Order: sequence, then C-alpha cells, then structure tokens
Amino acid sequence: ETGVTQTPRHLVMGMTNKKSLKCEQHLGHNAMYWYKQSAKKPLELMFVYSLEERVENNSVPSRFSPECPNSSHLFLHLHTLQPEDSALYLCASSPGGLAKNIQYFGAGTRLSVL
Amino acid sequence: QKEVEQNSGPLSVPEGAIASLNCTYSDRGSQSFFWYRQYSGKSPELIMSIYSNGDKEDGRFTAQLNKASQYVSLLIRDSQPSDSATYLCAVNRGTGGFKTIFGAGTRLFVKA
Repeated sequence: ETGVTQTPRHLVMGMTNKKSLKCEQHLGHNAMYWYKQSAKKPLELMFVYSLEERVENNSVPSRFSPECPNSSHLFLHLHTLQPEDSALYLCASSPGGLAKNIQYFGAGTRLSVL
Repeated sequence: QKEVEQNSGPLSVPEGAIASLNCTYSDRGSQSFFWYRQYSGKSPELIMSIYSNGDKEDGRFTAQLNKASQYVSLLIRDSQPSDSATYLCAVNRGTGGFKTIFGAGTRLFVKA
C-alpha cells in the first residue's frame, strides 16, 4: 500500500462514453501526476498539479481533462476516447522540492476503449 | 535520440549472480536519478535514488552515477527469483520542476 489509491481498477468504455478516473493520496504530498503506460513504451507524463495548480501539460488530447480540487484528490475525465487510448493510467504523488522528486504510484486503472 | 534509454532485455541471470542494469540520458542538466521496479501487473515502486556522482549502496542494490558520461546503472547482488521484474530508470532536471522522464524499462529474469 503506497498511500495513493486509484479507482476504478479496471474500466471498459465505448468511444462515446464519458467516465472519470479518481486518485486520492494520503501522504500529505504537494504534487500529483497522471501517467499513461502502454505496452513496451515508457511512462508518458500527461499532467502534473502542484498545490492544485496545473504545472505540466504534455500535449495531451483534449479528450482527457484533468481536475484537481485539492491537494489530495486528482481526477481524469475521459470523453470520446479512441481505441489507442487503451492503456494503464497511473496516478502518482510526490512531496515536491528541489531535486527530490520521488514519486509514489497508485495501482493504476486498466482502461479498455472499445 | 530518446531522452532516457535502456536496453529492453530481457536480461536473464542465474540465482545468486549479479544483475547489471544500465541507463543513459540525454539532458546534461539532469540532477536526480531514480530506479523503479515494476512487477508484472503492478505499479512502479522506488528502489533507489542517486543525486551525485559515484556509488550508492542499499542492501543488495547499488546505484552508480557518472554525469560526465550521462550514465546511471543499477547492480543487484545475490539476485533472487523475486527480483524478476521490469526496472525503470527515471531522470529529473531537479531545478524545482516536476517533469521526470522514464525509460522504457529493462526486463530482468532471475532463474532459480
């Protein structure tokens, strides 16, 4: 148990559906992240929030919409996804600070887009 | 050129041997270096971090950093079957930014 909880663990959705992924961290960290992990590819950073402010947005399609209502919660809203968006979506948190960006990952949401 | 490069493997070593995992990075301004272990179907977990040139040891794990060569490695001594996993190298500029770049990982098999 890393202190970062993601729900749901598995999600199957059609291309016209709207769904949301939820992440909650109990570590008192200041920063939260969304990553996409596809088979045999590096972890792709999608979004970073620091103290509820978005600080990184890595050219992610607009069909992915993040929301960070407070420093403990992070959402990823999904709509009109494509089959190539099927992947493992990982949430992470870190305490922030100079040169000490150690990240703690949640168990991930395995997303399948039909 | 990939920002963080790792040999995808698989790297296969016998139980009790030393496993050597290597990583190179392209950004000379990088300051923070991490090794994460990811078991199949699980999320990555940090096993080592290193910030200055040289070696850092923690139990059976030793991380080695050479900033001049832009090279970081992980040695696992007395490898166990439970060490079989994918090892991800990660690099951060460490200037207060939050962007950590991950390699694609090296898959390690430790044969009993």
